[in-house]
Order: sequence, then structure tokens, then C-alpha cells
Amino acid sequence: GAVVSQHPSRVICKSGTSVKIECRSLDFQATTMFWYRQFPKKSLMLMATSNEGSKATYEQGVEKDKFLINHASLTLSTLTVTSAHPEDSSFYICSAITGLTYNEQFFGPGTRLTVL
Amino acid sequence: AQSVAQPEDQVNVAEGNPLTVKCTYSVSGNPYLFWYVQYPNRGLQFLLKYITGDNLVKGSYGFEAEFNKSQTSFHLKKPSALVSDSALYFCAVRDGNSGGGADGLTFGKGTHLIIQP
Repeated sequence: GAVVSQHPSRVICKSGTSVKIECRSLDFQATTMFWYRQFPKKSLMLMATSNEGSKATYEQGVEKDKFLINHASLTLSTLTVTSAHPEDSSFYICSAITGLTYNEQFFGPGTRLTVL
Repeated sequence: AQSVAQPEDQVNVAEGNPLTVKCTYSVSGNPYLFWYVQYPNRGLQFLLKYITGDNLVKGSYGFEAEFNKSQTSFHLKKPSALVSDSALYFCAVRDGNSGGGADGLTFGKGTHLIIQP
């Protein structure tokens, strides 16, 4: 149980285009989902917290207009990187929590974004 | 604000020897502490957590960690290392007094563990 999936696992796009990444909780309802970004050989940095049916809460320094987050249902959150540039290339990882196991985050496998 | 320090970028251990990966933390409230492991180009796998109770926590794959409040540490240990333990290990913390659980984690920078045959 408690499986989180991400799609796509890898995406390559041209500079200036937008890319959508999906995060799904497959066998549970996620009250909250989180989006992290991991730079090469670096730690994970929390980008935003996403609650179903409400606006995402962004961490300081994260551009809301560039990284659009939508949490339309209790099993799906999406991250859209708008007008992507090479510096947005990174590994994006989502995680989810439930009301029952709120002390443990379940992580997705990650999405490797490369912007040319 | 909360923070996590993993002072070693890399730890090298011979197979069969005990291993320790160090982690210290800073948090204003009650520390909820976690260890995760990451294999190349993969997401994070949960190893263990400390929320409350016994200071020695046992987790997956034979790993354990000891919570030391006075030293604000949560070092990861394993009595006998395997080559397959080679991976990137992250320590993480969140403040147990805030957010009702809906807070993101603060991660350390990670420690590469290399087990030599």
C-alpha cells in the first residue's frame, strides 16, 4: 500500500515550452501532496505544499507563476513548469501524506526534466 | 527555522563492517526525524523514523538509528554492511509541533555510502 506514481518519468523539452508533471496516489487518498526539487548531487528542496481544493503554498524563493500546482482531487496533483528554461532542468519529486499516516511521507519515483 | 546537517559527503565501509551515517538537526519544537535512501535516478525509499518512544529505532533492511536529544543527533547505523547498501542517504526533520502533520520535510544534503567488497 501507499504507492505514489509520477508521470512522466523523464521528459525533454525545448526552451520556452511548458511541461506538466503528474503525481498520483494509487491506493490511498492524499490529503496533502508536496513537490520537491533535487539538483544534481544536492539535497531535496521543498518547493510547495499542495492541498486538495485549495491554492498551493509555495516556499520562499519559488516562483508561483513559473511552477503552477493544481491539486484537483485527493489522488492527483500536477506541477506545470511554464516557459521552461535550461536552468529549470532538474529532478522533481512529489510526496503524499494521508490523514492516517501523516507522520510519514510517501515519495514518488521522480521526474527528470531536461530543457534544451 | 529547522535544519539538518549531514557532515560527511561520503562514507566508505568494507563489506561486513559496521556502518554509521551521521545526522544532526535543529528544530524549535519536537523533532520528527526520518532517514531515506535513494538509488540512482530513483525516488526516495523510507528507512525509518523517530516520532516518540524508544530512542533506538529499527527500520528496513537491518538499519537502525538512535535519537540523542542532548546531542541533537540521529545517526543511522547497521551492524554489518552489504555491497547493496551503497546508495545516497538522506536525513530529514520536521517540527512535530506545527502544521498538524501537513508540513514538508527539511532534508540534509545527503551522504553517499559506498560499501567496498
